[in-house]
Amino acid sequence: EVQLVESGGGLVQPGRSLRLSCTCSGFTFGDYGMSWLRQAPGKGLEWVGFIRSKDFGGTTEYAASVKGRFTISRDDSKSVAYLQMNSLKTDDTGVYYCARARVFWCFDSWGQGTLVSVSS
Amino acid sequence: QSVLTQPPSVSAAPGQKVTISCSGSSSNIGNNFVSWYQQLPGTAPKLLIYENNERPSEIPDRFSGSKSGTSTTLGITGLQTGDEADYYCGTWDSGLSAVVFGGGTKLTV
Repeated sequence: EVQLVESGGGLVQPGRSLRLSCTCSGFTFGDYGMSWLRQAPGKGLEWVGFIRSKDFGGTTEYAASVKGRFTISRDDSKSVAYLQMNSLKTDDTGVYYCARARVFWCFDSWGQGTLVSVSS
Repeated sequence: QSVLTQPPSVSAAPGQKVTISCSGSSSNIGNNFVSWYQQLPGTAPKLLIYENNERPSEIPDRFSGSKSGTSTTLGITGLQTGDEADYYCGTWDSGLSAVVFGGGTKLTV
């Protein structure tokens, strides 16, 4: 069974940093691109960014709203994807989901999400 | 303001059929594959349709997708109360170099 479990969310002050983890099982992690998405309270889905598999260079893409502040990385030996979030803003508040990318624009398995609250 | 446009809500009676529209432009829907997601209350989204009209094996054939030009439609037949959820369309936008979503449509059965 494919499973994705996010962790690392919590309450953080504006301007501070937070790192989220997405621990995966049930599939060959290294064969897939992985994406992070978020959902502000009561709002719709927003794509945050994506990391390709090593076979496709392991390169990343980011939404304009987080480019330069957020970094996605992966550790294939541990089957974990990371989202490093720096210079956090109140607008970054929401539930953060990691998702397995069937292709980089289509997400076929999702984690349960982790809540990030940015507030002073 | 979402790049893709969906109606905020739709409703239909149990057993009936409903369609949810999603419109965009040539930089997104017009030249890229579309996916649809279902988000039941309090849960993570789930992939319903990929590549415009393909269903993952676990998704019943009550759910279907179609695309014409810069618009796409999700159809649900034999509505059940368990289908009450938010539905999102999504695709790649070549102009923005980003994955974009519709604002979501709340289905009431």
